[in-house]
Amino acid sequence: GENVEQHPSTLSVQEGDSAVIKCTYSDSASNYFPWYKQELGKRPQLIIDIRSNVGEKKDQRIAVTLNKTAKHFSLHITETQPEDSAVYFCAATTVASNDYKLSFGAGTTVTVRA
Amino acid sequence: DGGITQSPKYLFRKEGQNVTLSCEQNLNHDAMYWYRQDPGQGLRLIYYSQIVNDFQKGDIAEGYSVSREKKESFPLTVTSAQKNPTAFYLCASSKFLRTGDYGYTFGSGTRLTVV
Repeated sequence: GENVEQHPSTLSVQEGDSAVIKCTYSDSASNYFPWYKQELGKRPQLIIDIRSNVGEKKDQRIAVTLNKTAKHFSLHITETQPEDSAVYFCAATTVASNDYKLSFGAGTTVTVRA
Repeated sequence: DGGITQSPKYLFRKEGQNVTLSCEQNLNHDAMYWYRQDPGQGLRLIYYSQIVNDFQKGDIAEGYSVSREKKESFPLTVTSAQKNPTAFYLCASSKFLRTGDYGYTFGSGTRLTVV
């Protein structure tokens, strides 16, 4: 099965700085890579995703990059704000199969210092 | 609240007792999932179901059981065979392949504690 590793486990940044979270995956057939944000005491919510036919995707202050050759993908948050403080999870799966399920990384706790 | 409801929010289980966690969705999603969340270990898949009356084991199915008698409902039973059940349990649903929308919608979770 798919194995997703995520680094770092914790990340502290000054407000206004950038944050980068990196994930690697093991299954070369994986072709869908979402990122979820979980604020304290709340449910995870999808913030951005990328398909394997795209190398980069942006949505305002967040962006995701994918390197299929190296089997890694990254989340970039620019101009961080206090409300970006949360746990972030990366995930991977193969959507072409009839056995669709996401494999998640262990999560990164991001703290934005005011 | 978001179309997928988990209950109860908090649950306490005595040693040797079975407990059932509820998950209901009104999003008309085909697929439903149960994940367990422990600090530092991310989300680990317990069971999932792509269609009614069918389900598959995930990575950590031992000590758990599920049913999928209705499209809207996917209850999880934590049996006495699960030796370390204290955790946060998340239910999720997905439209699956038909619409090309692959993201999960999560419930708000159930925190289970063994007392």
